[in-house]
Amino acid sequence: QKEVEQDPGPLSVPEGAIVSLNCTYSNSAFQYFMWYRQYSRKGPELLMYTYSSGNKEDGRFTAQVDKSSKYISLFIRDSQPSDSATYLCAMIDYNFNKFYFGSGTKLNVKP
Amino acid sequence: DTGVSQDPRHKITKRGQNVTFRCDPISEHNRLYWYRQTLGQGPEFLTYFQNEAQLEKSRLLSDRFSAERPKGSFSTLEIQRTEQGDSAMYLCASSSDQGETEAFFGQGTRLTVV
Repeated sequence: QKEVEQDPGPLSVPEGAIVSLNCTYSNSAFQYFMWYRQYSRKGPELLMYTYSSGNKEDGRFTAQVDKSSKYISLFIRDSQPSDSATYLCAMIDYNFNKFYFGSGTKLNVKP
Repeated sequence: DTGVSQDPRHKITKRGQNVTFRCDPISEHNRLYWYRQTLGQGPEFLTYFQNEAQLEKSRLLSDRFSAERPKGSFSTLEIQRTEQGDSAMYLCASSSDQGETEAFFGQGTRLTVV
């Protein structure tokens, strides 16, 4: 079993839709959770960084962490064609010696 | 600060040749990570430095791979006797152990072994 599971998609939505992206994990030692956006042939770009269970909002993006269920989500409101990319979840324990990534979900927002 | 910088952006090499990549982290970031990513997959951990000390190394790394961070600033990743299976995007990330601890990635070095 992988440490982090993420549905690879692809996920196709119309412009303006609310997008929900999710990851599950097995290691209860993970303390910090991140979402990265990656455009084709580019490096991952940090979108959200959270520590505790609960919600964190930044503009159109909301990150949600449920440590009891070992489940994290990223919501994108009013999705735009420019949001079309691969979204990677990542997590790390307090040692900070290794980030564990999901396989990425490819999102396509149609105009 | 311009973020994490990686050089070169692209490298094409013949099988059996040695290649070296460079990563310049964000200033004063003492943590540095190397990852490898193939098409359609998430990044795969290679190695981790805290300052100049290499504290973690993936068991997936063969003896052909070596990484250094001699002065705790920039880092190099060398692959000896390259194989076609080494073709991938090599990503570097850095973070701080003070305050905000999130990791930022560079744009990567795309290696093609022919």
